[in-house]
Amino acid sequence: DVKVTQSSRYLVKRTGEKVFLECVQDMDHENMFWYRQDPGLGLRLIYFSYDVKMKEKGDIPEGYSVSREKKERFSLILESASTNQTSMYLCASSPQGEMWGRVGETQYFGPGTRLLVL
Amino acid sequence: GQNIDQPTEMTATEGAIVQINCTYQTSGFNGLFWYQQHAGEAPTFLSYNVLDGLEEKGRFSSFLSRSKGYSYLLLKELQMKDSASYLCAAMDSNYQLIWGAGTKLIIKP
Repeated sequence: DVKVTQSSRYLVKRTGEKVFLECVQDMDHENMFWYRQDPGLGLRLIYFSYDVKMKEKGDIPEGYSVSREKKERFSLILESASTNQTSMYLCASSPQGEMWGRVGETQYFGPGTRLLVL
Repeated sequence: GQNIDQPTEMTATEGAIVQINCTYQTSGFNGLFWYQQHAGEAPTFLSYNVLDGLEEKGRFSSFLSRSKGYSYLLLKELQMKDSASYLCAAMDSNYQLIWGAGTKLIIKP
């Protein structure tokens, strides 16, 4: 079974703090993703990566950065947390799709991190 | 623009059948996914359709009409554990997933 783990289930931070969210997958997947999920909205893609040290902006990258130093690990960084970044953050991974370097195939999700910024 | 529409909430009775509809507009199309998400948990994959027609998988079936930009998820013999949100997602020409907001399904005894 694919396993995607996230470092924390719940996190409380203060405005202006730097926040690190870690995600690890154990299935040797090429692609990894970070989403946020808010009530009434679909999953919104923040960043994704299709290879080590590669990253691509998703739909809402502002205020976030990412790091992928190893294939199995994809980190999301909130440089200076703000209250509008209070959300559920979901990490996902997938094997490489038909087109080289592009996302595709079924995505497998981690349990999510519920972040509250005060 | 790209868009996914699905109902916000549906209610059904235990043992009955329910159909959750999804319409999509995307730049190109590389398939339609359905995921199930229980409250407070991660989404889990249910089905993938890329060709027109019905795919059956136990109590769950998924249908796709590419010409109409339409899909549905059919759940039969509903059980209380089926209470969850069901997310529809279409894959565009760049292999990016465009997600709907999800349909919250409430099962009553």
